Amino acid sequence: SQQGEEDPQALSIQEGENATMNCSYKTSINNLQWYRQNSGRGLVHLILIRSNEREKHSGRLRVTLDTSKKSSSLLITASRAADTASYFCATDHSGTYKYIFGTGTRLKVLA
Amino acid sequence: DTAVSQTPKYLVTQMGNDKSIKCEQNLGHDTMYWYKQDSKKFLKIMFSYNNKELIINETVPNRFSPKSPDKAHLNLHINSLELGDSAVYFCASSQGPGLEQYFGPGTRLTVT
Repeated sequence: SQQGEEDPQALSIQEGENATMNCSYKTSINNLQWYRQNSGRGLVHLILIRSNEREKHSGRLRVTLDTSKKSSSLLITASRAADTASYFCATDHSGTYKYIFGTGTRLKVLA
Repeated sequence: DTAVSQTPKYLVTQMGNDKSIKCEQNLGHDTMYWYKQDSKKFLKIMFSYNNKELIINETVPNRFSPKSPDKAHLNLHINSLELGDSAVYFCASSQGPGLEQYFGPGTRLTVT
């Protein structure tokens, strides 16, 4: 299967704590993106990191990319209850029109 | 002023029926997609269109036929619906290949 893998599958933390989720993929990529999906809603784009970048920040989000290990991590700092959602990584392979999504991490932030 | 809209939001139908889902984007994007999300939340691409031309067809049964009348619309028609077609279908668009995608709210299809 080409499906990317994310871990953990589920994560439960207290408000104010940091949340880290990981994504591994199988073939070389052009870029990697992270998306958030709130329950019953569509996906929302969070951040895009290109294959020649190692780290990227956006507000409370920090993404790292290790192309030698074919993996990426998403760190959400100082989490809030509103961060409760599923998070997916998606890889773009050589600028094709095909994105391969990971299996997702369900994050629950307890108030 | 929704960026990517889909209709209907919910669709309940019986096996063997034919149904359509409509998608429209007002972002001026050239590229549109259909995805299927199953009960385990796996999201899998079905089709990609660029400038009304089919680019990607991911081994989807022939019962599924996308149609793009213009760059802003990508509709999905499904013939002879089966139980296994039950899922949430998402439409998305992007400015071009490999760029950030904007997703619609999804259509929950239930086949009984």
